[in-house]
Amino acid sequence: KAGVTQTPRYLIKTRGQQVTLSCSPISGHRSVSWYQQTPGQGLQFLFEYFSETQRNKGNFPGRFSGRQFSNSRSEMNVSTLELGDSALYLCASRGAETQYFGPGTRLLVL
Amino acid sequence: AQSVAQPEDQVNVAEGNPLTVKCTYSVSGNPYLFWYVQYPNRGLQFLLKYITGDNLVKGSYGFEAEFNKSQTSFHLKKPSALVSDSALYFCAVRDLAGNNRKLIWGLGTSLAVNP
Repeated sequence: KAGVTQTPRYLIKTRGQQVTLSCSPISGHRSVSWYQQTPGQGLQFLFEYFSETQRNKGNFPGRFSGRQFSNSRSEMNVSTLELGDSALYLCASRGAETQYFGPGTRLLVL
Repeated sequence: AQSVAQPEDQVNVAEGNPLTVKCTYSVSGNPYLFWYVQYPNRGLQFLLKYITGDNLVKGSYGFEAEFNKSQTSFHLKKPSALVSDSALYFCAVRDLAGNNRKLIWGLGTSLAVNP
């Protein structure tokens, strides 16, 4: 089976812009979670989607949003980017109680 | 409250020596426990998990971990470290009590294996 894929792999944006990141889960996996990873904060949970419904949400401002499509692909959107949003954004799909991660999207906000 | 602690930010070990990366947890119910590894500029790779059964769990790349309920620990071990094991290691736990299926993550331990 193909693994979790994320696009794009790298992004450079400026403050105030918005960005959309995409994640395709492992075939058959219906749960997709998103994380933000920064050197000082470790892995911070953003949200989890299951069958197009948000099931869990972390402590991020409303500028961070997500959705899941009927084919389980997921997108996350960050509006009004801030410098502090620079991070590696990781997507994971879940099967057999285990999360499998994609390679991540590295976002740099200038 | 649910929590995971990786008490060492960094572990240094010589190649060929055994390695241990520590993890302790706090949950209200029974735990599911996981170890992941992250190489530079990569996503996290699943190494192993404890769901139920034998307390000693074997995983990828020769790693194993021991679930100790009384000490609420799940330390990652390998009998003989390789330079290629140098990476960032994360422990995670899911509390089976309640309906929240969120994983709680440790802050990671950087493992350096010296040739």
